[in-house]
Amino acid sequence: DAGVTQSPTHLIKTRGQQVTLRCSPKSGHDTVSWYQQALGQGPQFIFQYYEEEERQRGNFPDRFSGHQFPNYSSELNVNALLLGDSALYLCASRGGSGAYNEQFFGPGTRLTVL
Amino acid sequence: AQSVTQLGSHVSVSEGALVLLRCNYSSSVPPYLFWYVQYPNQGLQLLLKYTTGATLVKGINGFEAEFKKSETSFHLTKPSAHMSDAAEYFCAVRKPRSNTGNQFYFGTGTSLTVIP
Repeated sequence: DAGVTQSPTHLIKTRGQQVTLRCSPKSGHDTVSWYQQALGQGPQFIFQYYEEEERQRGNFPDRFSGHQFPNYSSELNVNALLLGDSALYLCASRGGSGAYNEQFFGPGTRLTVL
Repeated sequence: AQSVTQLGSHVSVSEGALVLLRCNYSSSVPPYLFWYVQYPNQGLQLLLKYTTGATLVKGINGFEAEFKKSETSFHLTKPSAHMSDAAEYFCAVRKPRSNTGNQFYFGTGTSLTVIP
């Protein structure tokens, strides 16, 4: 089992550009969440996808959007990049409807906006 | 609203000494509580979690934590620090069985340094 995988590992963009980050959940998992972790901070929840729909959203602007595919993989899109978007973006997956189901994190994508 | 406070952004201990990382939470209902560890350039790994039942929970790598409702705390401990414990540690909370918000709320993290 490969666990949660993310691509790319590192990315450098300039202000105003758009970026797409990708995530493949752990085998058997159907729910994917995205988090932004700024330097020196804890992860902040962006949104969660289940059954190809955004189910919950944190306090992030509409520039942040996502998608979930039938195979449960997911993309995070960020438009009109700002310097403040520089961060480690973490994807997490979990599966099943159990109340205690654990969330597994991927290694993250390091985005640098210049 | 859920929130987590981790006291001490940096903690240093000698190898073999007790590790104590503090976490206090604020929640309208008793939450689920978690400790994660993050090594450099890696994602988060679950150390342990409290959902219901016994308030003292044991996790991986010799870590344990105790849920104290009266103190709204979930401090992480390890009796004897090892060099490999040096990492960033995050406390997190999650609403139990919530339809409106089962996302995790993380603290700002505590960086643990182990001195040989």
